[in-house]
This record gives sequence, C-alpha cells and structure tokens, in this order.
Amino acid sequence: NAGVMQNPRHLVRRRGQEARLRCSPMKGHSHVYWYRQLPEEGLKFMVYLQKENIIDESGMPKERFSAEFPKEGPSILRIQQVVRGDSAAYFCASSRTGSGQPQHFGDGTRLSIL
Amino acid sequence: RKEVEQDPGPFNVPEGATVAFNCTYSNSASQSFFWYRQDCRKEPKLLMSVYSSGNEDGRFTAQLNRASQYISLLIRDSKLSDSATYLCVVGYNTDKLIFGTGTRLQVFP
Repeated sequence: NAGVMQNPRHLVRRRGQEARLRCSPMKGHSHVYWYRQLPEEGLKFMVYLQKENIIDESGMPKERFSAEFPKEGPSILRIQQVVRGDSAAYFCASSRTGSGQPQHFGDGTRLSIL
Repeated sequence: RKEVEQDPGPFNVPEGATVAFNCTYSNSASQSFFWYRQDCRKEPKLLMSVYSSGNEDGRFTAQLNRASQYISLLIRDSKLSDSATYLCVVGYNTDKLIFGTGTRLQVFP
C-alpha cells in the first residue's frame, strides 16, 4: 500500500497518560501535515513538517502537544498528559512538494480518552 | 468571520438530480483551491483541484471566482454513492490548507 499510513487506527488512553500517533507519508512525499477533527466539526490544521524541520506549528496547542519528523522513520504526534478534550480523530496528510499541491490523507487515528 | 465558509446543509436530493454547493473564502492571498469528499468517520479524499478557468471531471464541475472569493461545485446526475460531506479547501503559499466545515449531501432513491 503506497498510501499514507497511520497507526494505530484506534487508541484508548486514560487521563494523564501519553499518546503517540504515527504517520508514514506516501512514497516520494517529503511534506507531512497533521490535522485534528473533533466530533461534528471540521478539520483543523495543527502542524506542517518536512524531514527534521517544523515549518508551521501555528495550529498546535501551546502545551502538551509536540510533533517531529525525523530523518529516518515516521512522523510522530505526541500528546502528553492527555485530557478528555483531546478525544478526536487525528489525520495525517502528505504531499510531494509544497506550493499548493493537494494533500493525501491517511485513515486517521481515533483517540479516545477515558 | 471564518476563513472558509460553507452551508452545512444537509442537501437532500433524489437520484439523478443536479446539486450545487458554494463556498466563500476570506483571504485574497489564497493560492490553491480544492474540493475534498469525506464519508462518515473516514479520511478526506481529494475530489478535484479548482482552477481559475473552471474544470470538469465527469459529473463534477468546479468553478472559481477570485474577484468574489467564491468557489462552487456542481454535481450532475447524482448517485446514491455521492452521499458524503463535501469540504471546500483553500491553500496558501505556506502549504497550510484551510478546510471548511463541509456541506452534507444525502442522495435518496
């Protein structure tokens, strides 16, 4: 499967735990984007990364959230000390280059906080 | 004012009908425009890019009016499988995409 791969598909955490969401972009794509979708709401941009660089993190909450895209391996979205309000679908997208290219999405990770 | 605004619907139309969705965006610096489709609890899928000259892909036609900052999507001969939420998406030179909240379409037999 050459598409954007996200795992896990579903993740359950208790309040205060850490959540790690992974995303491998499409083959040949070097730009990764993370979005969050709350129930019954639209997608909200969180962060845009290229290999080893955060390009735009204007949509990231100031605390508890971080993202990386290392030279080797998938992009990771990390949420520390999760709270109930973090429950959402987290989608990763990738594109080949910047400059207005369409983005292709993974299946998403549904995060549920108990 | 939201950066990308859409009528949430739902639009309930019979099979074979023609339906049109509209979208407005607030930032005149927007450089790229797309329509995505999202089925319930699934990932958004690119339906089509939108070009200044307008473009067509089978039963789907997209139009862009930069002066009015307005984008439209026309679906002809609606199918049951067209039932989904249609997302208007606007991009900037920073590559951040701004998504509208979507317009729900329900096609009934």
